[in-house]
Amino acid sequence: AQKITQTQPGMFVQEKEAVTLDCTYDTSDPSYGLFWYKQPSSGEMIFLIYQGSYDQQNATEGRYSLNFQKARKSANLVISASQLGDSAMYFCAMREGGSNYKLTFGKGTLLTVNP
Amino acid sequence: DTEVTQTPKHLVMGMTNKKSLKCEQHMGHRAMYWYKQKAKKPPELMFVYSYEKLSINESVPSRFSPECPNSSLLNLHLHALQPEDSALYLCASSQDSGQNPNEKLFFGSGTQLSVL
Repeated sequence: AQKITQTQPGMFVQEKEAVTLDCTYDTSDPSYGLFWYKQPSSGEMIFLIYQGSYDQQNATEGRYSLNFQKARKSANLVISASQLGDSAMYFCAMREGGSNYKLTFGKGTLLTVNP
Repeated sequence: DTEVTQTPKHLVMGMTNKKSLKCEQHMGHRAMYWYKQKAKKPPELMFVYSYEKLSINESVPSRFSPECPNSSLLNLHLHALQPEDSALYLCASSQDSGQNPNEKLFFGSGTQLSVL
């Protein structure tokens, strides 16, 4: 069974608008971390934001925020005021407490920002 | 400095060649990783080194041979590769604070490998 599900293979957004990228996860481990990475066409995986399973508040990093709904097992990424440079592949990933270093990635969402 | 540096950025090799990929970080991280990423797919874990010892080998074929000469360097030696091994190879590092789910991985830009 997939542990991380990203149901949007591709998304389009107009410049300066907000966009939400969906991510659901599946784990029975009470301790886990959820991550979002951005991968531009250059290839580098850029860490964006992190949410721990015990964190009470949703994480925010500049224009990025993570809408964490623990009961629904969802960790959606919200990008506010989209910029052309936000066009990239976005991966949601999870690391479980007993995972021994393994970071499990979703299949990714390709975001295109239109001018 | 939050940089993981990978060289070369691009590599083309024949099936009989021997080549090496290099990765370096100066963040004091003690865990280092090799991932393989095919086009339009998520990265797949290959190897993990923890404190310079091989901790995880995800059943990777022996034509891939990792090496961790010291805590800052990670190599991936390649020999007798197949065309299906063509992919982006990503190196990553993390602090290695035990089985901590909060630990962030920092990735390099990758080496785009083509096997002819």
